[in-house]
Amino acid sequence: DAGVTQSPTHLIKTRGQQVTLRCSPKSGHDTVSWYQQALGQGPQFIFQYYEEEERQRGNFPDRFSGHQFPNYSSELNVNALLLGDSALYLCASSQFQGQEGSPLHFGNGTRLTVT
Amino acid sequence: GESVGLHLPTLSVQEGDNSIINCAYSNSASDYFIWYKQESGKGPQFIIDIRSNMDKRQGQRVTVLLNKTVKHLSLQIAATQPGDSAVYFCAEIWDSNTGNQFYFGTGTSLTVIP
Repeated sequence: DAGVTQSPTHLIKTRGQQVTLRCSPKSGHDTVSWYQQALGQGPQFIFQYYEEEERQRGNFPDRFSGHQFPNYSSELNVNALLLGDSALYLCASSQFQGQEGSPLHFGNGTRLTVT
Repeated sequence: GESVGLHLPTLSVQEGDNSIINCAYSNSASDYFIWYKQESGKGPQFIIDIRSNMDKRQGQRVTVLLNKTVKHLSLQIAATQPGDSAVYFCAEIWDSNTGNQFYFGTGTSLTVIP
């Protein structure tokens, strides 16, 4: 049973560039959430996708956008990269129908470095 | 060994001792809580959860205690092993009109001394 998989594992970009990160949820899960984790901090919620729509959004600018595909996989796009966007980006999946007490299952993240 | 979360983000314990990691949560409406373990270079891994209608739940070598009166959560690890070295996060979850909201604390770094 495959868990949450993310690609790429590491990425280096230059300020002003755009980046796309990818996530495949755990088998049987239909909801994908994205988190940003700065060094030494807890994960910060970016947004959540279910049924190919953004359902919830955290306090992140519009430069952060996403997409969910019919097979439940998801992408996170960040435009006009800033140095402060350097972080570990985590994808987490869950079952929407099990929302009450449905734990998030995390991938190992994509380490983004902006120079 | 014992930590108080935000006030003492690191905890060192001897192998074989019991560890206690504490977390103060913020929202009195939170009705579900999860402890996650994050090892270096990996994503957070689910350890144990507890609902707000419970005050204690036990797993294998781990126990979570919930005190809703003071909005406090703790994770106890029995007979701590070197493999327990990691950062531990508590997450509080509450219902909103757009679905469940997850909020993660800063985390506590546990180091087990062989």
